[in-house]
Amino acid sequence: DAKTTQPPSMDCAEGRAANLPCNHSTISGNEYVYWYRQIHSQGPQYIIHGLKNNETNEMASLIITEDRKSSTLILPHATLRDTAVYYCIVRVDEGSSNTGKLIFGQGTTLQVKP
Amino acid sequence: DAGITQSPRHKVTETGTPVTLRCHQTENHRYMYWYRQDPGHGLRLIHYSYGVKDTDKGEVSDGYSVSRSKTEDFLLTLESATSSQTSVYFCAISDRQGFGKNIQYFGAGTRLSVL
Repeated sequence: DAKTTQPPSMDCAEGRAANLPCNHSTISGNEYVYWYRQIHSQGPQYIIHGLKNNETNEMASLIITEDRKSSTLILPHATLRDTAVYYCIVRVDEGSSNTGKLIFGQGTTLQVKP
Repeated sequence: DAGITQSPRHKVTETGTPVTLRCHQTENHRYMYWYRQDPGHGLRLIHYSYGVKDTDKGEVSDGYSVSRSKTEDFLLTLESATSSQTSVYFCAISDRQGFGKNIQYFGAGTRLSVL
């Protein structure tokens, strides 16, 4: 699975959009980009994922560049409850030898401030 | 937590004692995983299961064993606990029904302290 690079920390004002970047320059054509977050002392939570098109759900939007070497997770109206560590994970989704494991890096600690 | 229950939520034990952690799901998902989370290491896969009685090792499996006798339960056993196994343990489940659908759902975690 491709390596990802994320800034260690970011701040965002409550009510504003939070834009979390992720670089994955070695991504291959069959690798998906997944985003999870972990609120303090809780289990990781799935947010969104995509292959090459932009995606949106009730939690967030995912923007993937045309060359797929980077992506941005957008929380459109951040609240204090969005304070968490956000993980960008790139992985192949299928294959007989695929364990399905997720490789979590250090992620980005997002602090939403009042 | 998507129909996942981990028990116990907290446990303190002594070095050398056996410990079993339980993960119970109500989603009927085929795949189940055990991760541990430690400062500076993120989450690391211990063992996983791809069906009843079908299990395999992850990247940090030494000192751990697992069993899955029915779809809903995945047990993690520390045969003889050591202080290095002090950690937070997370169970995850997935149904993995095709490309772009490999989403894992995590339990609330078990905080284990080995003294």
